[in-house]
Amino acid sequence: NAGVTQTPKFQVLKTGQSMTLQCAQDMNHNSMYWYRQDPGMGLRLIYYSASEGTTDKGEVPNGYNVSRLNKREFSLRLESAAPSQTSVYFCASSPRTSGGNEQFFGPGTRLTVL
Amino acid sequence: AQSVTQLDSHVSVSEGTPVLLRCNYSSSYSPSLFWYVQHPNKGLQLLLKYTSAATLVKGINGFEAEFKKSETSFHLTKPSAHMSDAAEYFCVVSGRTGGYNKLIFGAGTRLAVHP
Repeated sequence: NAGVTQTPKFQVLKTGQSMTLQCAQDMNHNSMYWYRQDPGMGLRLIYYSASEGTTDKGEVPNGYNVSRLNKREFSLRLESAAPSQTSVYFCASSPRTSGGNEQFFGPGTRLTVL
Repeated sequence: AQSVTQLDSHVSVSEGTPVLLRCNYSSSYSPSLFWYVQHPNKGLQLLLKYTSAATLVKGINGFEAEFKKSETSFHLTKPSAHMSDAAEYFCVVSGRTGGYNKLIFGAGTRLAVHP
């Protein structure tokens, strides 16, 4: 099993450009999440999908959209990138949305917006 | 509301000496608690988790953590540090909020291990 995979690993954008970050998991998990990691701030939740067909906002959703394409795949889209979106983005999944479940993380995408 | 505070942003130890990474949490109900590790330019890996069973939790690579409700703490320890332990460590509290499995991350503690 590959676990959680993310593409691309690195990306440089100019302000105003758009892009989609891809995430897939092969653990048959119901719930998937997108986080951003900034120095000294831990991880902050952007959006989550409790199950296939549902998505909801997390702590910092502004400037992002998501699509839960199927049970395996959950994509994050930046419609008009801004320098404030320079960050490392992590996708995660968990079996279900009960409180005791740990989340499994992908390797991350390092995004720089110039 | 839930929150987690990691008391040290940086910890430096010598190889072979004990490691202590401190974490305090706040939760209005019995929490689930986790420690994750992140090696440079890598994703996050689960070290261990507490879910209201034994208060002393053993994890991978010789790490363990003790849940102390009276002190609202969940400190991470290891008897003898290895060079490969150098990484960033995150204390995390989890709970069901608004219909999803919400993880609240601490700001992280960067562990340096010197020869």
